[in-house]
Amino acid sequence: AQKVTQAQTEISVVEKEDVTLDCVYETRDTTYYLFWYKQPPSGELVFLIRRNSFDEQNEISGRYSWNFQKSTSSFNFTITASQVVDSAVYFCALNQRGSQGNLIFGKGTKLSVKP
Amino acid sequence: ETGVTQSPTHLIKTRGQQVTLRCSSQSGHNTVSWYQQALGQGPQFIFQYYREEENGRGNFPPRFSGLQFPNYSSELNVNALELDDSALYLCASSSGDHYGYTFGSGTRLTVV
Repeated sequence: AQKVTQAQTEISVVEKEDVTLDCVYETRDTTYYLFWYKQPPSGELVFLIRRNSFDEQNEISGRYSWNFQKSTSSFNFTITASQVVDSAVYFCALNQRGSQGNLIFGKGTKLSVKP
Repeated sequence: ETGVTQSPTHLIKTRGQQVTLRCSSQSGHNTVSWYQQALGQGPQFIFQYYREEENGRGNFPPRFSGLQFPNYSSELNVNALELDDSALYLCASSSGDHYGYTFGSGTRLTVV
């Protein structure tokens, strides 16, 4: 079975704090893709990153960084020096090869960054 | 480059009615997927269309159906609406499987 677990339902931090959003996934396939999306109050899902199962290199994009560890089936997301504009719901998602567009989402983590 | 646009943004329907939601895919994208997002939950995959054919479906009953048109735009139809169909319906387009999916802002459907 395929599953994505985001154990943190809500996180509240003060601006400039670092915050890590956890994502644990389950899949039997050896080829799969992992995504992070941001959902602001407007509703649309904003694509942040895509990672395939053969690329375990960590990635950094500005204040955002991702830690992919196949050994623990985790794909965690860290925001450094958080800002109020980072407040949103963040979703981790899994897509298996050949699954025809079926993104399996976690339940999301609501991040509130207070000034 | 235009993104994914969905219409209408909000809709209120009565139980038992039928509804049609519309989606225009991002320029250059030939694949469209639909998702249902209940309040406080992650989106759930309904189905995907590629070249006007359904080529993937989630765990949704047949009263959820769709179409894709030659210009890659798409419709989601839901018959015999139930209260539990109240949700945000998201459309996503892509240029191929596993690449970044671009999502629209969704249609908020309320069934009363």
